Amino acid sequence: DAGVIQSPRHEVTEMGQEVTLRCKPISGHNSLFWYRQTMMRGLELLIYFNNNVPIDDSGMPEDRFSAKMPNASFSTLKIQPSEPRDSAVYFCASSPRLAGSSYEQYFGPGTRLTVT
Amino acid sequence: AQSVTQPDIHITVSEGASLELRCNYSYGATPYLFWYVQSPGQGLQLLLKYFSGDTLVQGIKGFEAEFKRSQSSFNLRKPSVHWSDAAEYFCAVVFLIQGAQKLVFGQGTRLTINP
Repeated sequence: DAGVIQSPRHEVTEMGQEVTLRCKPISGHNSLFWYRQTMMRGLELLIYFNNNVPIDDSGMPEDRFSAKMPNASFSTLKIQPSEPRDSAVYFCASSPRLAGSSYEQYFGPGTRLTVT
Repeated sequence: AQSVTQPDIHITVSEGASLELRCNYSYGATPYLFWYVQSPGQGLQLLLKYFSGDTLVQGIKGFEAEFKRSQSSFNLRKPSVHWSDAAEYFCAVVFLIQGAQKLVFGQGTRLTINP
């Protein structure tokens, strides 16, 4: 099992540019999560999907952020336009989501985004 | 309100010494509890979890944690640390918020190992 795959691992862009982060969850997992990690705010849940459907996007900071999951094996997080305060490490995680028992999440290596 | 607190931002221990990292939560019911570890430049890796049953749970890499309902705590322990244990450790709790289950992370404890 390759684990959760994220790309790119590092992204440097200029303010105002569009940024797209990509995630491939573990095969067979039904839930997918996007997190943002900063020194100031720690690890924050942005949005999560169950069976490709967005369930809770209350953590998405602004309308500049959007996420999609067109199929069970792929998700994107887009920031348009990007701002310097969006600089952070963005993690994708997936979960097998066995009802009533496991809620463990498996994290990808993250994408370090720097907006100048 | 539901919350997760890791009181220690940074802990330094000597290699071979014992370790205890603290985690407290605020919740009206018995939560699901987790400890994750994050090595520099890496994603989070699950160390162990508690859902029910025996309150002392064993995890990977020689870690264990004990759930104490009376203290609302889930402290992580290791009897003898290795230099490779230097990392950031996160306690996490599943809460029911607005009808949905959410995994909420503590702020993390950075562990430094002295040789």
